[in-house]
Amino acid sequence: QKEVEQNSGPLSVPEGAIASLNCTYSDRGSQSFFWYRQYSGKSPELIMFIYSNGDKEDGRFTAQLNKASQYVSLLIRDSQPSDSATYLCAVNQAGTALIFGKGTTLSVSS
Amino acid sequence: DAGVIQSPRHEVTEMGQEVTLRCKPISGHDYLFWYRQTMMRGLELLIYFNNNVPIDDSGMPEDRFSAKMPNASFSTLKIQPSEPRDSAVYFCASTLTGGSPLHFGNGTRLTVT
Repeated sequence: QKEVEQNSGPLSVPEGAIASLNCTYSDRGSQSFFWYRQYSGKSPELIMFIYSNGDKEDGRFTAQLNKASQYVSLLIRDSQPSDSATYLCAVNQAGTALIFGKGTTLSVSS
Repeated sequence: DAGVIQSPRHEVTEMGQEVTLRCKPISGHDYLFWYRQTMMRGLELLIYFNNNVPIDDSGMPEDRFSAKMPNASFSTLKIQPSEPRDSAVYFCASTLTGGSPLHFGNGTRLTVT
């Protein structure tokens, strides 16, 4: 069974710090990797996606992928209270559905 | 673009009643997904369609659940009869191609008493 694992948290960081969110997956055939943010009572919204090994940066966000270790991470630099949310990791193979982790709750204190 | 549209936003029903959730995907998207989210189990895939054809329904909990996609712009998820354990937020999502990011609707919060 394909699984995506995340620490549930909460992960607490002070404003301005770097938040590091981690995710592991079981299916070695996974090809696409996504990070979604979900505020309480809202639907998931896409933050970043990554397809190749290495780092991908978008503003304050950096996604890191290591297929050999089956590991994906999301770094949030200069964390803001507005970043407080649940972060969902999702993976899939081409043409198949995304499998989601249960999410990590991030709390950024001002 | 209006995004993925789901209705109703909230549904409260009594055990044993039939519930129908509706979804309109983004125009031109070939894939449509139904997910269910609970605190305990997170976001679970129920079923997905490609070009209106059901591809994988292995996540549908039991025969009480059924989903249809009669055309490219409309899908329904039906629960009959409903049970309290069906209480959850049901999300519909669509995407242009397999492997692309999903676009989620606002969800339907279902409460079965």
